[in-house]
Amino acid sequence: QKEVEQNSGPLSVPEGAIASLNCTYSDRGSQSFFWYRQYSGKSPELIMFIYSNGDKEDGRFTAQLNKASQYVSLLIRDSQPSDSATYLCAVTGANNLFFGTGTRLTVIP
Amino acid sequence: DTGVSQNPRHKITKRGQNVTFRCDPISEHNRLYWYRQTLGQGPEFLTYFQNEAQLEKSRLLSDRFSAERPKGSFSTLEIQRTEQGDSAMYLCASSSALAGTDTQYFGPGTRLTVL
Repeated sequence: QKEVEQNSGPLSVPEGAIASLNCTYSDRGSQSFFWYRQYSGKSPELIMFIYSNGDKEDGRFTAQLNKASQYVSLLIRDSQPSDSATYLCAVTGANNLFFGTGTRLTVIP
Repeated sequence: DTGVSQNPRHKITKRGQNVTFRCDPISEHNRLYWYRQTLGQGPEFLTYFQNEAQLEKSRLLSDRFSAERPKGSFSTLEIQRTEQGDSAMYLCASSSALAGTDTQYFGPGTRLTVL
């Protein structure tokens, strides 16, 4: 059984700050990594995926992957109140995704 | 392309009743997944279809649960003799085998409440 670990939070940051969300995974064979955002009562919404070591940037979001350390992170620059949500880290299995329990982020105006 | 759709969005039922949920994936996606999510947890994998073939089932999928995708398009998930522990959000996702990363896109979910 693959394990994906996230700090459940809550993580609070002031508006305009950088939010840093972290995730570790147990299976060294994992190939692809995903970040989903989930608002309360809603379904997960894809933010980014990454499968190569290093950084991947998309607008205010940067995903970072370090396969040697089995670590993936998501940075949110210029955080906005609308970014307040739970962020789910997911790792590919053979035919499915394994999810962490999510980190709740609150951006304080 | 209107994304993944699920019906109904909410279902309240009494213990012991049968319920059926439907998922319509993104039209060009040949892979379809069902997950279950309870409060404070991440989604947990239930089952996976490639076209009409059900290729993987989680051990979470007890014999009261059955899923079908008869023509490789929409899918149904049926729960027989519902129990209070079945109360959860049931999520459907789809992806395309042709897209290298197999990125899964989720539908809005069906929230089941078993009384």
